[in-house]
Amino acid sequence: EAGVTQSPTHLIKTRGQQVTLRCSPISGHTSVYWYQQALGLGLQFLLWYDEGEERNRGNFPPRFSGRQFPNYSSELNVNALELEDSALYLCASVPTGYSNQPQHFGDGTRLSIL
Amino acid sequence: TQLLEQSPQFLSIQEGENLTVYCNSSSVFSSLQWYRQEPGEGPVLLVTVVTGGEVKKLKRLTFQFGDARKDSSLHITAAQPGDTGLYLCAGTYLTQGGSEKLVFGKGMKLTVNP
Repeated sequence: EAGVTQSPTHLIKTRGQQVTLRCSPISGHTSVYWYQQALGLGLQFLLWYDEGEERNRGNFPPRFSGRQFPNYSSELNVNALELEDSALYLCASVPTGYSNQPQHFGDGTRLSIL
Repeated sequence: TQLLEQSPQFLSIQEGENLTVYCNSSSVFSSLQWYRQEPGEGPVLLVTVVTGGEVKKLKRLTFQFGDARKDSSLHITAAQPGDTGLYLCAGTYLTQGGSEKLVFGKGMKLTVNP
């Protein structure tokens, strides 16, 4: 069974630019979570999508947005990039929308803002 | 305010030593998960504990959920260099609105020196 895949693996952008990160969940999983892992801050919850709908979002500004497609893959969009957006962005999938289920993580996208 | 506090945050030990990692909160969790994250990879689930007082063993790793379901510990016996990584705890709790949320601690970075 293929795991969660994320692309790209690394990305370098400059302040003010926009970026789109992609995530393909494990086959059969309908729920996708996005996290930001900045140095020293642990995993900060960004967004949760289930069955194509946004179910919850963390304490991040509106320039962080995303969507989930009919095949359950997901995109995370970040507009007007700022230096503090430099982080590892992790995607995780779970079989259904219950948050107490184990999360299956991808290896992340390392985003660097210059 | 960090809902889940992990301690210590960093630990560097010699091969063969024992160690304990703590995950504490003032909130009650319906379940608690432990993950390990190696450099360049996403977190991988080690165990889920659900019942207060529950103890689970995974080879040299022993996980315990506090009786009141507010804290957990991970004990590693005879640590090996392969145990090196970031250990994260994550708890599921019920919000005031009645929905379930998953929150991660900041993690404990373990280095086991040969």
